[in-house]
Amino acid sequence: NAGVTQTPKFRILKIGQSMTLQCAQDMNHNYMYWYRQDPGMGLKLIYYSVGAGITDKGEVPNGYNVSRSTTEDFPLRLELAAPSQTSVYFCASSLTGQVAHFGNGTRLTVT
Amino acid sequence: GENVEQHPSTLSVQEGDSAVIKCTYSDSASNYFPWYKQELGKGPQLIIDIRSNVGEKKDQRIAVTLNKTAKHFSLHITETQPEDSAVYFCAASIGPTGTASKLTFGTGTRLQVTL
Repeated sequence: NAGVTQTPKFRILKIGQSMTLQCAQDMNHNYMYWYRQDPGMGLKLIYYSVGAGITDKGEVPNGYNVSRSTTEDFPLRLELAAPSQTSVYFCASSLTGQVAHFGNGTRLTVT
Repeated sequence: GENVEQHPSTLSVQEGDSAVIKCTYSDSASNYFPWYKQELGKGPQLIIDIRSNVGEKKDQRIAVTLNKTAKHFSLHITETQPEDSAVYFCAASIGPTGTASKLTFGTGTRLQVTL
């Protein structure tokens, strides 16, 4: 199993641009999550999903959108990128809802 | 909402010594407490977790203790090795198994194991 795969690894965006961060898992996990990690801080939950077709907001959802059309994929969309969205983004998945397996992250810089 | 505080922010120990990292949480309803190890350029990796119905859990050189009354939990690493050097995060969440775990993370402890 590849686990949780995130692409791209790095990306630089200009203010106002849009992009989609990709996340795929091959463990048939129903639960998937998006977190962001700012320097010197813990991870904060952006959005999560409990299964295909079902998504919900986390602690810091503003400026982001998600969709979950399949069990495997959980893309995160940034519309109108802002410097405050410069961060490292982690996707995670879980079989039971609690124990989370994380991907290796996407480092995004908005200038 | 839940708030998790983690101390210390940096910790340097000599190889073979023990390391202890402490976290406190604010919401008494939290019932799941995982610890993650994050190496440079990687995502967090679960190293041990504990549920609120257990006071202590051990896995080889790693142990976690939970004091529900005081709302704090700790990570203990014994016989530290250079490969233990990393950033460690504690987290807490509410909800039974089978529900989405919306983890609240501490701010991390950078552990340096020196030779």
